[in-house]
Amino acid sequence: SQQGEEDPQALSIQEGENATMNCSYKTSINNLQWYRQNSGRGLVHLILIRSNEREKHSGRLRVTLDTSKKSSSLLITASRAADTASYFCATDANNDMRFGAGTRLTVKP
Amino acid sequence: DVKVTQSSRYLVKRTGEKVFLECVQDMDHENMFWYRQDPGLGLRLIYFSYDVKMKEKGDIPEGYSVSREKKERFSLILESASTNQTSMYLCASRLGLGGEWQYFGPGTRLTVT
Repeated sequence: SQQGEEDPQALSIQEGENATMNCSYKTSINNLQWYRQNSGRGLVHLILIRSNEREKHSGRLRVTLDTSKKSSSLLITASRAADTASYFCATDANNDMRFGAGTRLTVKP
Repeated sequence: DVKVTQSSRYLVKRTGEKVFLECVQDMDHENMFWYRQDPGLGLRLIYFSYDVKMKEKGDIPEGYSVSREKKERFSLILESASTNQTSMYLCASRLGLGGEWQYFGPGTRLTVT
């Protein structure tokens, strides 16, 4: 069963804009991970944030985690057409990893 | 870099056939996973393995079995393929169980007619 739920299900923006995706979950976790999937391909990991961390950056990506609200967000700044993909959050709780259904991001040139 | 490969990108099989999906990883990872991905449902875990010859059921094991005879190879078997098993199948591996991300293969899109 799914643990993380992404919001929105789909997002369409113009190149150069920022994209924000949210993930909510139900139970306590050890860490939360964000993955990206290009159409018809496997998932590629982007960022892992541990339960004792609040924010993490990697290039144009910024992830926040609020364990009190059981939510996380992924921000992609200055988006590019190449960022078009599906983005998934995955919660890791006592070695039980669960993926959400994903947010489909379209970046228009 | 970890590499996870899957035997086929696309596969078309007939109802009732026995289907083998192979997955190989090259980084000596202990843990391997099989998921299926369907629109709107995300990734659902079918089976996983902590070690050679060990396997654990995931959320949707019915109609599937697995084999892990060697550490680097994890096979998913559809004993008698049915049309509701048409899906994208993703294999993943992970070094340990805690605090690590998973490395995914490119996926196999299976169509059962």
